[in-house]
Amino acid sequence: DQQVKQNSPSLSVQEGRISILNCDYTNSMFDYFLWYKKYPAEGPTFLISISSIKDKNEDGRFTVFLNKSAKHLSLHIVPSQPGDSAVYFCAASEGGADGLTFGKGTHLIIQP
Amino acid sequence: NAGVTQTPKFRILKIGQSMTLQCTQDMNHNYMYWYRQDPGMGLKLIYYSVGAGITDKGEVPNGYNVSRSTTEDFPLRLELAAPSQTSVYFCASSYLAGNYEQYFGPGTRLTVT
Repeated sequence: DQQVKQNSPSLSVQEGRISILNCDYTNSMFDYFLWYKKYPAEGPTFLISISSIKDKNEDGRFTVFLNKSAKHLSLHIVPSQPGDSAVYFCAASEGGADGLTFGKGTHLIIQP
Repeated sequence: NAGVTQTPKFRILKIGQSMTLQCTQDMNHNYMYWYRQDPGMGLKLIYYSVGAGITDKGEVPNGYNVSRSTTEDFPLRLELAAPSQTSVYFCASSYLAGNYEQYFGPGTRLTVT
């Protein structure tokens, strides 16, 4: 049973527009959420995170929003750039030492 | 500062063979992790370690073993390889547990035929 769900396998966005990637979770014990970006043949790289005590975190072009009541988070990228084309993974932690729970990923394609 | 390094990058194994995937980090992180990623899927935790000499099972530990004799190294051992272990394996480390980002290595692509 998937605890972290990314229901869009792929998303195509025009360069310069906003990209919105969505993630839903079912485990109420998750208290920290992260987004990772992954290029082919490379390991995931950390992008941005948010604690469950916040509803928004911003870092440059990247903003993550958390709606705890809906168990939903989203990543906004504004403006989208060609280098943003990658697979984006949503991940969650219960705060313990036992690793992260990942979604299946969304392949973001930025079109010129 | 190399971060997390993994060797080999690629490997083909025959069914029943064994191998060790190497992982080393130079960030003095106590916490280290092994994940596998199957095509079209997210990463799943195989084993993790909270420090030298301490390891524990993750979500999918069957068919694997780990050891942690030093802070830097966290090798993953596959005994009696099976086709179901065909996957990309990622090692990761973090400074603290829980609410801190993990740093990933570049991965090892393993095929078992």
